Amino acid sequence: ETAVFQTPNYHVTQVGNEVSFNCKQTLGHDTMYWYKQDSKKLLKIMFSYNNKQLIVNETVPRRFSPQSSDKAHLNLRIKSVEPEDSAVYLCASSWDLNSDYTFGSGTRLLVI
Amino acid sequence: LAKTTQPPSMEAYEGQEVNVSCSHTNIATSEYIYWYRQVPHQGPQFIIQGYKDYVVNEVASLFISADRKLSTLSLPWVSLRDAAVYYCIVTDMATNSAGNKLTFGIGTRVLVRP
Repeated sequence: ETAVFQTPNYHVTQVGNEVSFNCKQTLGHDTMYWYKQDSKKLLKIMFSYNNKQLIVNETVPRRFSPQSSDKAHLNLRIKSVEPEDSAVYLCASSWDLNSDYTFGSGTRLLVI
Repeated sequence: LAKTTQPPSMEAYEGQEVNVSCSHTNIATSEYIYWYRQVPHQGPQFIIQGYKDYVVNEVASLFISADRKLSTLSLPWVSLRDAAVYYCIVTDMATNSAGNKLTFGIGTRVLVRP
């Protein structure tokens, strides 16, 4: 099966902890993304990664950082989580920045 | 990027055709129209894209007005599985940079009744 796979599905953690979410795509795409979907269901782009070029949304706090070992993987690390980081984090991929995206099922983070 | 306006919600019964409208009055000549949908506990799923006129695939059809300021996504014979939030997005295909990314609005919540 070719798709975008995210782990874990859910994660509960305390304020100040570090968390890391994994994303792998088996579609052979060249570009990957991380989106954040908040409690109001608004989807906001956080990062895009294409040919080792990282493009960061300037509104993303510095405690968030993407990590990529190859074009099929783009993980997301949050250094010291805060309550407002509670959200669903969605990973996506596409052939390039102009192609349609394939999304994963998301990782739901709850910070207590 | 052009801003889009969609109705916040719609209702239909199973078997009916559903038409979801999207206004993009400031759409630029380089911008394309994309439609995605999201069901609960899943990421958005690509449905269809178009530039002008009429586009059809196995899932839906997309009609774009002659001036490209309005598009309508048509879902024939909806089932309960079509209940989702439908997003209309316009994006500039000419820009291959940080500016060319899918920007999601609040979408249209389609409720399907049995």
